[in-house]
Amino acid sequence: DTGVSQNPRHKITKRGQNVTFRCDPISEHNRLYWYRQTLGQGPEFLTYFQNEAQLEKSRLLSDRFSAERPKGSFSTLEIQRTEQGDSAMYLCASSERGGRKAGANVLTFGAGSRLTVL
Amino acid sequence: DAKTTQPNSMESNEEEPVHLPCNHSTISGTDYIHWYRQLPSQGPEYVIHGLTSNVNNRMASLAIAEDRKSSTLILHRATLRDAAVYYCIGRGFNQFYFGTGTSLTVIP
Repeated sequence: DTGVSQNPRHKITKRGQNVTFRCDPISEHNRLYWYRQTLGQGPEFLTYFQNEAQLEKSRLLSDRFSAERPKGSFSTLEIQRTEQGDSAMYLCASSERGGRKAGANVLTFGAGSRLTVL
Repeated sequence: DAKTTQPNSMESNEEEPVHLPCNHSTISGTDYIHWYRQLPSQGPEYVIHGLTSNVNNRMASLAIAEDRKSSTLILHRATLRDAAVYYCIGRGFNQFYFGTGTSLTVIP
């Protein structure tokens, strides 16, 4: 396993266009997380999945954002009608399943997908 | 999840120990304390975590205060490759919430 893979690494788009990012987690990891990071800030939580179920969404995830994880493997994050404020690094991470000691499970991050909206 | 407070930046000389502090006064009894670091243009990477006892691994040591309201990440001998932003996180059952972290500069 080569870790968490994100594609594309860079995306430049014009305002109003739709974009989709893909994340392939570590295969045995049940949990998958999406974060957004802007310059000089820490990663901001967007949403997470356990298997195919989306268990929590941040208020940051507006109606223009949608995330899926069909079959509990890879995940996609789609942004519709992009705005310049969507320009950021979109990070995906995965971890082993939750449980009694879920707080101990560590995240493995991908390298991120950088979005620039012109 | 526990909110954490860290200094915005710190400096260290190369090959000297670095102590990175974190306050997490609202941490619950079941929240683990995690540390991650992020090098420029990369995703965060795991450094260390613990619940109550001090922890050591090949990257660092984690000293947790007895009341668990604070912790310190210890890099025993800073190298130039340790220059990064270090995040302290109090992790509950579900999510990780990152703050703005401490930007560590290592001076040759």
